[in-house]
Amino acid sequence: GENVEQHPSTLSVQEGDSAVIKCTYSDSASNYFPWYKQELGKRPQLIIDIRSNVGEKKDQRIAVTLNKTAKHFSLHITETQPEDSAVYFCAARPSGGYNKLIFGAGTRLAVHP
Amino acid sequence: NAGVTQTPKFRILKIGQSMTLQCTQDMNHNYMYWYRQDPGMGLKLIYYSVGAGITDKGEVPNGYNVSRSTTEDFPLRLELAAPSQTSVYFCASFDSGTNTGELFFGEGSRLTVL
Repeated sequence: GENVEQHPSTLSVQEGDSAVIKCTYSDSASNYFPWYKQELGKRPQLIIDIRSNVGEKKDQRIAVTLNKTAKHFSLHITETQPEDSAVYFCAARPSGGYNKLIFGAGTRLAVHP
Repeated sequence: NAGVTQTPKFRILKIGQSMTLQCTQDMNHNYMYWYRQDPGMGLKLIYYSVGAGITDKGEVPNGYNVSRSTTEDFPLRLELAAPSQTSVYFCASFDSGTNTGELFFGEGSRLTVL
């Protein structure tokens, strides 16, 4: 089955710096790759996603890139702000339907003023 | 529109007790899911349902049962609770008729088994 690995597990940056989180997946047939943000004590919420027929997607300060050949995808946050501090999860959706997401272990991002 | 609602938010169980985590959604989503979240382990899929009367196992189904008698409700049953089931449980829903893949999560239920 699909397996998703996420790195790093923790990331500390200064406000205004960029942050990059990387994920690899094992199932080459996976076709959808979302990123969820979870603030402390809150529910995970979708922040950006990318489908397998697209190489890059951007939404303001957040971008995601996908390399299907290498089976990895990355989240890029530019001009980080303290409110970006949270745990970020990547996920992959294997083919076969039902939108079952396989999640990475998460990255705890701390943005220091 | 309340979205996905889970109860209880917190619960402490003794080993061997049973309980049901409740989940209800008011968005008329056909797919529903139960995930558990352990520290440093991400979210693991326990069970999912693609419609009333249809359920299937996810990655970690042992020790749990589910039912889906209505579109709105998807309760998760823990039989003979064990310390390994100490976790935060999230229910989620999805509308397969949309072009997005977004899961809508509830606020979570924190369960401790002592």
